[in-house]
Amino acid sequence: DVKVTQSSRYLVKRTGEKVFLECVQDMDHENMFWYRQDPGLGLRLIYFSYDVKMKEKGDIPEGYSVSREKKERFSLILESASTNQTSMYLCASGGQAYSGANVLTFGAGSRLTVL
Amino acid sequence: QKEVEQNSGPLSVPEGAIASLNCTYSDRGSQSFFWYRQYSGKSPELIMSIYSNGDKEDGRFTAQLNKASQYVSLLIRDSQPSDSATYLCALTISGYSTLTFGKGTMLLVSP
Repeated sequence: DVKVTQSSRYLVKRTGEKVFLECVQDMDHENMFWYRQDPGLGLRLIYFSYDVKMKEKGDIPEGYSVSREKKERFSLILESASTNQTSMYLCASGGQAYSGANVLTFGAGSRLTVL
Repeated sequence: QKEVEQNSGPLSVPEGAIASLNCTYSDRGSQSFFWYRQYSGKSPELIMSIYSNGDKEDGRFTAQLNKASQYVSLLIRDSQPSDSATYLCALTISGYSTLTFGKGTMLLVSP
């Protein structure tokens, strides 16, 4: 089974702090994704990457950046955390279905609270 | 505009009944459809995928796709309390590979 591991399950940070959320997958997938999930808003795509050193903006990239230095690792960075970034962050790794669509496997999630 | 609509629920069914979860979408170019299950406090997990019109069965689960009417549904036969979760519909738009998710339907199966 694909395993997607997120480094931190729960984090509490202060406004203005720099936050790193790390994600590692072990199935040699090229595609990796960062989502946030909020009650009533569902899953929203922040950034994704189709290859090492490549990144693409998702639907809500403002306030975030990403890093993909190695194929298995995709990091989400909050340069200056704000209270509206309090959320559940989900990393996913994508294997290609025959249609070309990504079949996603999610990590356990990182619940971030910004005070 | 990519939109995926689901009734938020909760949908309550007794144990042993058939649960029917529905999803409609706005973009006729949508090609691939997925159902994810998310238990409270956990991350989503893939349970079904469907790519062509008709029914696809996997154990107690049946996914149904009707592209002309732009809906996809998930039937759960012999519902169990362990099926209680939020079910997320997701799809990809022609030419894109990222998934767009609906907000999910909460299913409650009572013993």
